[in-house]
Amino acid sequence: ETGVTQTPRHLVMGMTNKKSLKCEQHLGHNAMYWYKQSAKKPLELMFVYNFKEQTENNSVPSRFSPECPNSSHLFLHLHTLQPEDSALYLCASSQDGELFNYGYTFGSGTRLTVV
Amino acid sequence: AQKVTQAQTEISVVEKEDVTLDCVYETRDTTYYLFWYKQPPSGELVFLIRRNSFDEQNEISGRYSWNFQKSTSSFNFTITASQVVDSAVYFCALSGSSSASKIIFGSGTRLSIRP
Repeated sequence: ETGVTQTPRHLVMGMTNKKSLKCEQHLGHNAMYWYKQSAKKPLELMFVYNFKEQTENNSVPSRFSPECPNSSHLFLHLHTLQPEDSALYLCASSQDGELFNYGYTFGSGTRLTVV
Repeated sequence: AQKVTQAQTEISVVEKEDVTLDCVYETRDTTYYLFWYKQPPSGELVFLIRRNSFDEQNEISGRYSWNFQKSTSSFNFTITASQVVDSAVYFCALSGSSSASKIIFGSGTRLSIRP
């Protein structure tokens, strides 16, 4: 298995739907991240979790709700999204204290389309 | 504030040509780290290299080389004898001592290698 696994790979949802994105890491890392990648824009950091505790929320709208039940799993719950939320959502993990040695390990992302 | 600028949005070259991807960064931290990531069509970002602010030695890894110059706040990436498999989006990124576990990404350069 790859180090960071994201499911589903593709998701199409209506604006009234509720869905969840899942991220799982098998690297023993204790920090996990959600990034949003929109066309022709820099990667936007959304949330940071260290040891299951949320340490950063970058002014993300409340229609995005993260959950980190343990250091290996990270979810992003979605509800009442807008078409402009369509993007590639990337999950990443790192070992606290070793960020500068290895950077992040990324998953393949979930391509989300809101219709 | 920290910022990474990749002025080249898209580059297209013919196979076997050399190509340089530019990266300019801004930070007030004296200790910081620079990264390059590759994003192939599959979506995941692949870590390529990390440099710290105290090590200005250029680095070569096979066909890849990196030129770090603090005087111009640049960290450029050169691919020698490019191959079709090098086609991807390349991101330059920065993490400073003041930003803890966050990595700030540039907007990326889409590199296309034509056969």
